Amino acid sequence: DTGVSQDPRHKITKRGQNVTFRCDPISEHNRLYWYRQTLGQGPEFLTYFQNEAQLEKSRLLSDRFSAERPKGSFSTLEIQRTEQGDSAMYLCASSLDTGRTDTQYFGPGTRLTVL
Amino acid sequence: KQEVTQIPAALSVPEGENLVLNCSFTDSAIYNLQWFRQDPGKGLTSLLLIQSSQREQTSGRLNASLDKSSGRSTLYIAASQPGDSATYLCAVSPRNYGGATNKLIFGTGTLLAVQP
Repeated sequence: DTGVSQDPRHKITKRGQNVTFRCDPISEHNRLYWYRQTLGQGPEFLTYFQNEAQLEKSRLLSDRFSAERPKGSFSTLEIQRTEQGDSAMYLCASSLDTGRTDTQYFGPGTRLTVL
Repeated sequence: KQEVTQIPAALSVPEGENLVLNCSFTDSAIYNLQWFRQDPGKGLTSLLLIQSSQREQTSGRLNASLDKSSGRSTLYIAASQPGDSATYLCAVSPRNYGGATNKLIFGTGTLLAVQP
């Protein structure tokens, strides 16, 4: 499978715990994005990487959230001290910068439930 | 601030019918507009991407149009099938003069049900 993969697919945790999600983009894609989607809503942009550099962060990304892409390949999204409001689907997407506008390819998502 | 709206929120049609989904956006300064499909509990599948300089794109039974000046796009689905049942999302990539990131701003989607 050469698509975007995410792990785990589902995560249930108790309030206050830390969680970490992983995203493996399509190989050779240099751009990687994280989005969050709540029930009945469209995805909301969280952050964006160009290679290993984090170039943009949404105001939605509070201090409890941190994302990394250490070698410009896979990325991790960590949420510290989870709250019930963090329950959502976390989507990762990747794209190839061709110098023109490009198509983002999405992974299957990680569904987080905070009890 | 760019806002994307999709109408209707839900649509049910009999199999074989042609249908149109609507998307509107408040700021015409965009790089492109994309239509996605999302099946329940799943990720997004890109259907069509229209560059800001283009008027329409076609793929099989799907045709998407873009009128940037009026802030509107439509997705036309011909001869609908039960397998087309899904949520259809419209997203724009805002033009950022400080440096493009190609982040997407999504609408809330149209839930389509095609009845056999």
